[in-house]
Amino acid sequence: GAVVSQHPSRVICKSGTSVKIECRSLDFQATTMFWYRQFPKQSLMLMATSNEGSKATYEQGVEKDKFLINHASLTLSTLTVTSAHPEDSSFYICSARVSGVGTNEKLFFGSGTQLSVL
Amino acid sequence: QKEVEQNSGPLSVPEGAIASLNCTYSDRGSQSFFWYRQYSGKSPELIMSIYSNGDKEDGRFTAQLNKASQYVSLLIRDSQPSDSATYLCAVNRGSNYKLTFGKGTLLTVNP
Repeated sequence: GAVVSQHPSRVICKSGTSVKIECRSLDFQATTMFWYRQFPKQSLMLMATSNEGSKATYEQGVEKDKFLINHASLTLSTLTVTSAHPEDSSFYICSARVSGVGTNEKLFFGSGTQLSVL
Repeated sequence: QKEVEQNSGPLSVPEGAIASLNCTYSDRGSQSFFWYRQYSGKSPELIMSIYSNGDKEDGRFTAQLNKASQYVSLLIRDSQPSDSATYLCAVNRGSNYKLTFGKGTLLTVNP
């Protein structure tokens, strides 16, 4: 299957700093990528939809100025958590949509990034 | 409010038994349904997708969909300890792959 590489897998940072998370599709072009956040024992919550070459679409309640998303190429999307605070500590996961016909469309997930803000 | 409900568990079954995982959803416009397996600290892995009413089998896994009852289930036959994980149900209304996930059911298969 398609491979989505997410980096870093774990990051610890001080409060007030910014953290960038990268999501790459390794063997396919991803016109659409999704960013999720998952708190312990909770479901994945969609944060934003990232489309190559255009502005990301954020879900209700997600601060677009805090979670900056850039999808500059068909294989790379980045999420930057700006001025991170302890409440931003979470598991962040990207996913990429592999376009196909009808039910052949698939969604592949990156390996996730565990962010801990001290 | 679009919701996907799952019993959080834990669901505990002995090795070799059938594990039955259930999911209900509130949005009648949902068209695509997925089961993901997630190990602790890892990203979700697609197990099954189902789009039409009825059963869909893949190896030891069978997904069942009943749109009238807004219900989707996953059966795991001959459960193995390696099946122990959290199983996430996800639904999509359209073709944009903006999935709504349930909180997941923790399955433990005891040797």
